[in-house]
Amino acid sequence: GENVEQHPSTLSVQEGDSAVIKCTYSDSASNYFPWYKQELGKRPQLIIDIRSNVGEKKDQRIAVTLNKTAKHFSLHITETQPEDSAVYFCAASSGGFQKLVFGTGTRLLVSP
Amino acid sequence: EAGVAQSPRYKIIEKRQSVAFWCNPISGHATLYWYQQILGQGPKLLIQFQNNGVVDDSQLPKDRFSAERLKGVDSTLKIQPAKLEDSAVYLCASSLVYRGAYEQYFGPGTRLTVT
Repeated sequence: GENVEQHPSTLSVQEGDSAVIKCTYSDSASNYFPWYKQELGKRPQLIIDIRSNVGEKKDQRIAVTLNKTAKHFSLHITETQPEDSAVYFCAASSGGFQKLVFGTGTRLLVSP
Repeated sequence: EAGVAQSPRYKIIEKRQSVAFWCNPISGHATLYWYQQILGQGPKLLIQFQNNGVVDDSQLPKDRFSAERLKGVDSTLKIQPAKLEDSAVYLCASSLVYRGAYEQYFGPGTRLTVT
């Protein structure tokens, strides 16, 4: 089955810096890659997603890139703000029923 | 639009006891998911329903976990008997379509502590 690895496990940046989180997946048939943000004690919330027919997608300060050949995708956050501090999870959709396999998460801390 | 509802929010039980969780998905969402999220890890899919039918339960420990979705709306997840390693947050999610790439909306979760 699908396996998703995520790095780094923790990331500390200064406010205004950029942050990059990377994920790799194992199943070449995976075709949907969402990113979720989870604040402490809260539910995961979708922040951006990308499908396998697209190489890059951007939404204001957030962007995701996908390299199907290398089977990896990345989340880029520019001009980070303290409210970006949270745990970020990548996921890959395997098979025809949109079964999501999540990475282990990255704890992002943005210091003022 | 109301979100995914779950209850209870917190539950503390002793090992070998039974527990049940309830989920009400967003109205009109045919697909419902139960995830287990152990502290410090990503959510792990336990079971996925399409209407009231199971489409994936490959990671559900069927000797102790069971789930049902009566009438294709609400769902319950049960653990009997509970073990210490079942301590986790149980998240319910729903989505509009199961084929293709559609957002899964998560509920607030039920935090289970097994002592």
